[in-house]
Amino acid sequence: IQMTQSPSSLSASVGDRVTITCRASQSVSTHLNWYQQKPGKAPKVLIHAASSLQSGVPSRFSGSGSGTDFTLTITSLQPEDFATYYCQQGYTTPGTFGQGTRLEIK
Amino acid sequence: EVQLVESGGGLVQPGGSLRLSCAASGFSFSTYWMSWVRQTPGKGLEWVANIKPDGSDKYYVDSMKGRFTISRDNAQNSLYLQMNSLRAEDTAVYYCATEAPIALLDHWGQGTLVTVSS
Repeated sequence: IQMTQSPSSLSASVGDRVTITCRASQSVSTHLNWYQQKPGKAPKVLIHAASSLQSGVPSRFSGSGSGTDFTLTITSLQPEDFATYYCQQGYTTPGTFGQGTRLEIK
Repeated sequence: EVQLVESGGGLVQPGGSLRLSCAASGFSFSTYWMSWVRQTPGKGLEWVANIKPDGSDKYYVDSMKGRFTISRDNAQNSLYLQMNSLRAEDTAVYYCATEAPIALLDHWGQGTLVTVSS
């Protein structure tokens, strides 16, 4: 299953609302996870099963979607949110990742 | 606290071999699926392989089948990745991770860098 994220990069300001899209080449039901990665660090889970917030993750992060189309929304961007975001499908093995969306400060 | 610490990375010539290790602590290692994931500048994150808690089932991404072998030692709380016939395109940071249902990789190590170059 191929995962395609858009946009590949995004510039935004602190306080903005941003949406990142992930599209699967075939249905993955709600078997979709979102990760955040900062430079030099391992990825960190934000959202699992399309819309469930991982424990400890701020509520400004939310996920939605099912089937082939998914979104990650961050409301009121904070300075620590500038990072790269990846989606990953868990419907089939291997659990393929999207190519990533780099969120930069405007 | 869950801790995963990878080791064994380094510089290796094309065609060479390397064995990565991942030392686990802070959780019941023998009850978790475990995975290896790699990250290259050009291809981003790529799932490599995973292994069932008791080691009886293993899955690999097609491009690594026959070259890479995942294994574990539950008595030592350790995960391994034996990599043979290494190619330049295997150059990456390799992470070990715990795997929950729907391939959720919920805890990651810090990664170990493998460089394949002559």
